[in-house]
Parts: sequence; structure tokens; C-alpha cells
Amino acid sequence: DAGVIQSPRHEVTEMGQEVTLRCKLISGHNSLFWYRQTMMRGLELLIYFNNNVPIDDSGMPEDRFSAKMPNASFSTLKIQPSEPRDSAVYFCASSLLGARTQYFGPGTRLLVL
Amino acid sequence: TQLLEQSPQFLSIQEGENLTVYCNSSSVFSSLQWYRQEPGEGPVLLVTVVTGGEVKKLKRLTFQFGDARKDSSLHITAAQPGDTGLYLCAGASGGTSYGKLTFGQGTILTVHP
Repeated sequence: DAGVIQSPRHEVTEMGQEVTLRCKLISGHNSLFWYRQTMMRGLELLIYFNNNVPIDDSGMPEDRFSAKMPNASFSTLKIQPSEPRDSAVYFCASSLLGARTQYFGPGTRLLVL
Repeated sequence: TQLLEQSPQFLSIQEGENLTVYCNSSSVFSSLQWYRQEPGEGPVLLVTVVTGGEVKKLKRLTFQFGDARKDSSLHITAAQPGDTGLYLCAGASGGTSYGKLTFGQGTILTVHP
């Protein structure tokens, strides 16, 4: 069975550019979580969805960040405009609603120059 | 804001030694999880503890949840080079925030042959 799929795996962009990160949930899962990991701040929850509905976006750093679930199996995290301090590894994770186990994707390593 | 403090941040030991990683908070969690992350990959769940005082064993790994559900420990017996990685604890809040995890900063473990 395919796990959580993220693309791209690596992204290098220049400050001011728009960045879109993509995530495909495990089939049948209905909760989706976006995380950011840095050496300084560790793994932080940005936003999570249940049944395509955003439940908690208190971790989203600022208005430059937005996340959507256009359908039940796919999500995007957009940064516009990107800044060097956004450089990090971004993970998405999926789970069954109410389940304790989250399954993480391999991450997207973002470098903003 | 719920915080989880992990210690130590770094641990470098020889094969065969024992070690303990601690995860502490002033907040009560409905459950606590331990993850292991290898370079270039997402975290993978090792165990979930739910009941205060609970002890779970996974081969050479022993996990304990504090009686007050505010702290946890991970003990590895006779560490092996394959145990090398980043170990993360994560607390779940429960209630209306069910599914939302707060992660500790992580412990980077290196086991030398």
C-alpha cells in the first residue's frame, strides 16, 4: 500500500517566489496534518483538517501561508511570497479521524535563497 | 500553550550501552507517543501510551507514561547502531483538539559500533 506521498521532495527557490507543496493522503484516511521541522524549533504543527475542513490553523506562521484540501485525498500548502526564514522540511501526515496514529510522508526540503 | 521538554538533546554512546530519554511537561496529556525519525524520512510511530503509569515494551525498548500523565521515558537496553536516529515524543491533548500533537524538540541518538 502506498503511504503518504509528498511532492516535490526538494525545492530551491528565491525569496519572493510562490512555493506550492503537495500531499496525497493514504487512501481512506480523512485527517490531514501539515508540519514544519527546523533545527531551532523542532517539529511544529501548522494546520490540520478533518474531512476536508480546517480545524486548527493556529500554527500557520502568517498570512503568507495558506493550505487547502480541494478533495478528500489531496492537500496543498502554499507560501506566497516566500522568505529565507521559511527554509525548513515540511511534512504532511494523515490518519483516520479520531485515531491516534499519524502516518508521515517523506517531507519536502525547502530552501529559500 | 502545551510544551514538551526532551532530554538529553544529544546522546552519543557505544554499542551495548543502555540509555534513557526523558520527556517532561507541566501539562496533562490524554496520550503520549514516541516516534523515531531517520535522515531524509518522516517520523515513524513506535508506541502510544494512554494510561498513567503504563509501561510498554518493544523488544529492547521500554516506554513508560508517568502516573500524572505529564511525563514519559524511553529506555533502550543494549543499544545497537541500528538504533541511531532522532527520537521524538509527542503529546495529544484530547477533547476538541483530538488528533493535535505537540512534539518535543527531539533527542539525536548515535550508537557507535
